[in-house]
Amino acid sequence: SSELTQAPDVSVALGQTVTITCQGNSLTIYYVSWYQQRAGQVPVLVLYGDHRRPSQIPDRFSGSRAGDTASLTITGAQAEDEADYYCHSRDSSGHLWLFGPGTKVTVL
Amino acid sequence: VQLVQSGAEVKQPGESLTISCKTSEESFATEWIGWARQVPGKALEWVGIIYCSDSDVRYRPSLRGHIDISADKSTNTVYLQWGSLRASDSAIYYCYNSGSYWPNGNWGQGTRVTVSS
Repeated sequence: SSELTQAPDVSVALGQTVTITCQGNSLTIYYVSWYQQRAGQVPVLVLYGDHRRPSQIPDRFSGSRAGDTASLTITGAQAEDEADYYCHSRDSSGHLWLFGPGTKVTVL
Repeated sequence: VQLVQSGAEVKQPGESLTISCKTSEESFATEWIGWARQVPGKALEWVGIIYCSDSDVRYRPSLRGHIDISADKSTNTVYLQWGSLRASDSAIYYCYNSGSYWPNGNWGQGTRVTVSS
């Protein structure tokens, strides 16, 4: 099996740009998706297939994947973007799925 | 697509439990339905997934043999079952739908499972 790693915390000033990364061997092969989870709420899909955004997600959210690392970037962070962000992809075998440990984004 | 989960449960260690996730007929026929869990204040954890149309099931390795995921075509419902609960099973359990390459973005409201003596 394999795992996904994320930095535990990151902070960003209001209106500035922040990038969260997710690293794992399986990311050299498989797409990554990203979830936003605000405190006490159900996770919300913000990116899928590396860079694709559901229609209701603002375009300040963008994503990419290169090698074993995927990135989620928030350009012009807003107060409502303060949340935990989890990456999600398959494991190296392709048969199972994984969540990363999550990154807590604080908007200052 | 709406995923509707069963209500909160409080059980004792060693008891059995089944929780459910009801989806649409179309979703049931074409999608995977996955389960994730979360201890409040902790990270999401992937539990398992089922392809409803042929019941292909995958489990988190550490939970294989401890849980069972099944699907009922007649009611478009997916089940997560335990034969003997442990305190460490206490968490909020979410179901979600997924295609073959990426998730489709719909989650159930969550089912809180509390296992305590």
